[in-house]
Amino acid sequence: QSVLTQPPSVSAAPGQQVTISCSGSSSNIENSLVSWYRQLPGTVPELLISENSKRPSGIPDRFSGSKSGTSATLAITGLQTGDEADYYCAAWDNGLRAIVFGRGTKLTVL
Amino acid sequence: QVQLVQSGAEIKKPGASVKVSCEASGYSFSLYYMVWVRQAPGQGLEWMGVMNPKGGSTSYAQKFQGRVTMTRDTSTSTVYMELSSLRSDDTAVYYCARGDLILGPVRDAFDVWGQGTMVSVSS
Repeated sequence: QSVLTQPPSVSAAPGQQVTISCSGSSSNIENSLVSWYRQLPGTVPELLISENSKRPSGIPDRFSGSKSGTSATLAITGLQTGDEADYYCAAWDNGLRAIVFGRGTKLTVL
Repeated sequence: QVQLVQSGAEIKKPGASVKVSCEASGYSFSLYYMVWVRQAPGQGLEWMGVMNPKGGSTSYAQKFQGRVTMTRDTSTSTVYMELSSLRSDDTAVYYCARGDLILGPVRDAFDVWGQGTMVSVSS
C-alpha cells in the first residue's frame, strides 16, 4: 500500500486533456513539495514537474501541476501518442522521513 | 553535459552484497545531494536514501536501515550504494539521481538520473 494514491491507469484520445491525481495526507503532500516524473517504456524516469507546479527547461507547457490540501494533480493537454508512459508523483513524508512515490499511473493515448 | 553513469548489471546470490557506483560529470559534484531509487520489475519507484557528497552524511529510508550504505569518492565524483543481505525481492533496477542543491532551496526533486543498474538476486 503506497502512501500516495494514484489511479492505476487513465486514457484519452489524441488532442484531448487528461488529469492524473495524487492523494496523500498532512504528513506528505499538504506540507511538502510535490514533484512528478514521467517514465517512457523502457527508459529512465524524467522530472516533469517540481515544487508542485514548476516545469524544468525543455518540458512543454502542455504539462502542468497543481496542489490543493492533501492532493496534487498533473494535467496534460494536447495529448500525443508519445505521451504514453507511466507517471509518478512524489513528496517528502515527515512521518516516514523519506521521499514517497505514488504507485504510478499508466497513460494510454487511444 | 550533466550526466550520471552507473556501473553494469550484477547477478548475486541470496545473502550476498552488491555495490553499485554512480559517476557524476558536467557539474560540481559536491554541491548537490545524490539519491538512490530502485524499481522492481513491473513495479513503481522506491526511494532508498540520500547522501550529501560534500560531507558524506547520509539518511536512509527506514526499510533499508542496517542493510544499505552510501559512500562517495570526491576525487572521482563517484557515489556508491552497497546493499547487503540480498534477498530475491531486492531484484530491481537501481538508479542514482541528482537531488537538490545543498545550499539552495528545498525542492525535493530529482532532475538528472543515471541509466540504471539491474541487480538480479537468485540462487
